[in-house]
Amino acid sequence: KAGVTQTPRYLIKTRGQQVTLSCSPISGHRSVSWYQQTPGQGLQFLFEYFSETQRNKGNFPGRFSGRQFSNSRSEMNVSTLELGDSALYLCASRGDTSNYGYTFGSGTRLTVV
Amino acid sequence: QKEVEQNSGPLSVPEGAIASLNCTYSDRGSQSFFWYRQYSGKSPELIMSIYSNGDKEDGRFTAQLNKASQYVSLLIRDSQPSDSATYLCAVANDYKLSFGAGTTVTVRA
Repeated sequence: KAGVTQTPRYLIKTRGQQVTLSCSPISGHRSVSWYQQTPGQGLQFLFEYFSETQRNKGNFPGRFSGRQFSNSRSEMNVSTLELGDSALYLCASRGDTSNYGYTFGSGTRLTVV
Repeated sequence: QKEVEQNSGPLSVPEGAIASLNCTYSDRGSQSFFWYRQYSGKSPELIMSIYSNGDKEDGRFTAQLNKASQYVSLLIRDSQPSDSATYLCAVANDYKLSFGAGTTVTVRA
């Protein structure tokens, strides 16, 4: 069974640019969530989608947005990039039963220069 | 108060010893609790989940949950050098995971 797939693995962007990250969940998983990991702040929740609906959003500025498609694949977008957006962005998917754990993808390492 | 707090590390244990990791959480209504292992440069890997009070064992790992004390722990028995990693405690609420800062464990050969 394929795991959570994130693309691209690495990105280097310039301040002010925008970026789109992609996540394909485990087959059959309809819940997809995104996290940002930095050395200073640790793992922080960005947002969660289920069947194309955002069910929760973390405390991030509006420059961070996401969406989910009918096939459960998800994208997140960061506009007007800042140096502080440099981080590992992780996607996680979960099965429908609440007792399933969240499985993480390998992440996208974003560097803003 | 942080939502999830873990005992500060790093934690260094000799090979074959027991590593003990602790975690407290603030939301008394929390129902799902997880331990993730993260190797340097890698993404978190789920190693244990626990939902009811008591102990849950899986191989060399034992998770303990005490909802009254809002406390979760992880024991790693017969620690191996391959267990050297950062261990993250996570609590699920409202379709999100809240993570502790992590405890870095080093197993000395």
